[in-house]
Amino acid sequence: DSGVTQTPKHLITATGQRVTLRCSPRSGDLSVYWYQQSLDQGLQFLIQYYNGEERAKGNILERFSAQQFPDLHSELNLSSLELGDSALYFCASRSGGALGEQFFGPGTRLTVL
Amino acid sequence: GQNIDQPTEMTATEGAIVQINCTYQTSGFNGLFWYQQHAGEAPTFLSYNVLDGLEEKGRFSSFLSRSKGYSYLLLKELQMKDSASYLCAVPAVDSNYQLIWGAGTKLIIKP
Repeated sequence: DSGVTQTPKHLITATGQRVTLRCSPRSGDLSVYWYQQSLDQGLQFLIQYYNGEERAKGNILERFSAQQFPDLHSELNLSSLELGDSALYFCASRSGGALGEQFFGPGTRLTVL
Repeated sequence: GQNIDQPTEMTATEGAIVQINCTYQTSGFNGLFWYQQHAGEAPTFLSYNVLDGLEEKGRFSSFLSRSKGYSYLLLKELQMKDSASYLCAVPAVDSNYQLIWGAGTKLIIKP
């Protein structure tokens, strides 16, 4: 158990819909990262927050957005869903300084039908 | 830019030794991470190398050569549970806040 929690574990929805994925980082971790992993693909970095502020952006679509709240939990919003958005979405938090290891949550498996 | 290369897939026999290579191109360097990821599960941290040489952690060792832009993960006494993907990652040059990830090496262990 990494200490990072994600909900829901599974999500099945239809094209065109909007969903929200939630992540709670490890106690004391200020950084939260979001990743997308499609079937048999590598990790694609989406976005990172540090203490409520956006710090880095990766290959995140305009249909996707995220935020980190004062209690440090984060939400990833996916809208106008397409079949290709079906993937595992991981949240990770980081301990220590900028080069500390990332601890991953168990992921949310999104299926778009 | 930065680029990471790893073999896509490797096969090894239970009880044997396997070496998974990772090469990277970067204009700056802040260390290299190795993670293990079982199918459908979250990646878990294995090692972090910032200096040249070999670091050993039980059955797993990680090696780094900064001059060659090269790292490897050495797995000894392979067990069936070692069947997983192994990902190497380096911190982005333009930002210390994100990792650049390799596509991962899928390791298949056969009895």
